[in-house]
Amino acid sequence: KQEVTQIPAALSVPEGENLVLNCSFTDSAIYNLQWFRQDPGKGLTSLLLIQSSQREQTSGRLNASLDKSSGRSTLYIAASQPGDSATYLCAVISNSGTSYGKLTFGQGTILTVHP
Amino acid sequence: SQTIHQWPATLVQPVGSPLSLECTVEGTSNPNLYWYRQAAGRGLQLLFYSVGIGQISSEVPQNLSASRPQDRQFILSSKKLLLSDSGFYLCAWSPPGGRGHQPQHFGDGTRLSIL
Repeated sequence: KQEVTQIPAALSVPEGENLVLNCSFTDSAIYNLQWFRQDPGKGLTSLLLIQSSQREQTSGRLNASLDKSSGRSTLYIAASQPGDSATYLCAVISNSGTSYGKLTFGQGTILTVHP
Repeated sequence: SQTIHQWPATLVQPVGSPLSLECTVEGTSNPNLYWYRQAAGRGLQLLFYSVGIGQISSEVPQNLSASRPQDRQFILSSKKLLLSDSGFYLCAWSPPGGRGHQPQHFGDGTRLSIL
């Protein structure tokens, strides 16, 4: 069964800092990995999707990397802003076992960027 | 462009009452559809998914059921709500075909409180 872990659970940084969020998964047999943002009381917004054959994806100030063999992904946020404050969720879709075709989520990292 | 709608946004129901949450997708045909629940202190859990009209797969034994009466309509129901059904319910869609390779897009969610 696929399990996804995110570290740290919470992070507070001053505006302008570069930061890294970590995600690890137990089963490397995945189709892809997706990073989401969730604002309080809201749904999920997809930030980046990395296919299993890819190493990284970039969108603006966000860069996500994937090391499938070691079961790890990082989300790098450059020059953080207060508007980046949200919960960031990592999720993978497995291509084998009981988790086949299912999006398995981590518990999320709560990010606070203060002015 | 594709959009996903969920309603209601919030709902307060007494224990033992019925439930019907609705989700519709616009701008695409034959999408894969999903219902997730986010309970307090827990991660997102997949409840049901559907690859076509009348085709529903249940992920966890529970008090809830799902139906897909039309191509772009997904309904989450219960005949008698339990306290443990409280949570944030999210509907999602992905393009038709291989569920493993496509990103999932989420609605704004329904906050369900059981009294």
